[in-house]
Amino acid sequence: DGGITQSPKYLFRKEGQNVTLSCEQNLNHDAMYWYRQDPGQGLRLIYYSQIVNDFQKGDIAEGYSVSREKKESFPLTVTSAQKNPTAFYLCASSPHRDRSFSGANVLTFGAGSRLTVL
Amino acid sequence: QQQVKQSPQSLIVQKGGISIINCAYENTAFDYFPWYQQFPGKGPALLIAIRPDVSEKKEGRFTISFNKSAKQFSLHIMDSQPGDSATYFCAASGISSGSARQLTFGSGTQLTVLP
Repeated sequence: DGGITQSPKYLFRKEGQNVTLSCEQNLNHDAMYWYRQDPGQGLRLIYYSQIVNDFQKGDIAEGYSVSREKKESFPLTVTSAQKNPTAFYLCASSPHRDRSFSGANVLTFGAGSRLTVL
Repeated sequence: QQQVKQSPQSLIVQKGGISIINCAYENTAFDYFPWYQQFPGKGPALLIAIRPDVSEKKEGRFTISFNKSAKQFSLHIMDSQPGDSATYFCAASGISSGSARQLTFGSGTQLTVLP
């Protein structure tokens, strides 16, 4: 079955440590995204990538870093510079990277990774 | 500022009742309005979506009503069932400057349907 796999599902981190969240998709989608979800705040975009070896900052990129070395992989690193990292992190992908509207160009989400800072 | 305002934050409905969730947007460049459903511990999944050239779209018990002049859209769940209990997000999609299509999400509504 095609889909998005995020790991780990739960992660605990001590203050000052960097952690990396994995996101792998086998949907052959061009674009990939990372969102952060906090209670009562919806989903906020951290980073996105339209193509391999290219990515752009979203609304809340400070304290995070990403890479896109392969089409199917888009890992997110939560660095020690992120002041409030405890959250639910969601990875998503969409089929197209171009600017034209397409009803099929919707986001498919992974099951999420919950990060807790101790 | 691209923003989507969603209300109510939480909603409790009796089984068989109608659930209504409202959203309002500001950016007139938005041209695609999806709703996502999220169960606890899972990622959101696309439920239904509408384009601004139609005023209503219905899929089974779920209906989107769209008012372009008021820049508002809403989700109606008819004959609500306990299995509909989830968090619902509205969203709006448009082209951000110099970039690909982006989705802006509302803050979410936690729906509880009582048996």
